[in-house]
Amino acid sequence: TQLLEQSPQFLSIQEGENLTVYCNSSSVFSSLQWYRQEPGEGPVLLVTVVTGGEVKKLKRLTFQFGDARKDSSLHITAAQPGDTGLYLCAGLNNAGNMLTFGGGTRLMVKP
Amino acid sequence: DSGVTQTPKHLITATGQRVTLRCSPRSGDLSVYWYQQSLDQGLQFLIQYYNGEERAKGNILERFSAQQFPDLHSELNLSSLELGDSALYFCASSVVGGGETQYFGPGTRLLVL
Repeated sequence: TQLLEQSPQFLSIQEGENLTVYCNSSSVFSSLQWYRQEPGEGPVLLVTVVTGGEVKKLKRLTFQFGDARKDSSLHITAAQPGDTGLYLCAGLNNAGNMLTFGGGTRLMVKP
Repeated sequence: DSGVTQTPKHLITATGQRVTLRCSPRSGDLSVYWYQQSLDQGLQFLIQYYNGEERAKGNILERFSAQQFPDLHSELNLSSLELGDSALYFCASSVVGGGETQYFGPGTRLLVL
């Protein structure tokens, strides 16, 4: 069974601070995805990383895929209250039809 | 709005009962996925259908079953419900189911009393 561990589980920071969320696995995934979920809604895809060592930027969010394609990180610069939510990483199996989700990081950014 | 619709939004029922959750995928999407999200287990993949056929199975209990109909909508049937089945159930859809983006619906919140 492929497992993804996210850390930290909870994070409460002040507006303007930087933060990093980690997603680690002992398994290799064909790609790794990051989602954001708000209360009462389904997860929304933020980014997909495919190549080992890949770095993708989405405004103040930077996503990195580890060289061995087993781990990933999400870095947010100058966090804003609008970044508050549940961040989920998910690994896609080789067949491309099964997502394994991490436990999630619940982020709260206080103004 | 992802374009995926799920009904009902909330469902309260008793142990031992059976319920049916419904999902309509985005227009043009052939693949439907079901997920369960609970506090202790997180978000878990249950099952995938592609154009009416079961494509992949995850951690789906034998008491649970699903199907995808010719009009591509899908239903998840949960029977002999237990307290531990209380969770959010999400449906997602994608074009063909080969690794492209999955779009999630708003979920059905099931409470088993």
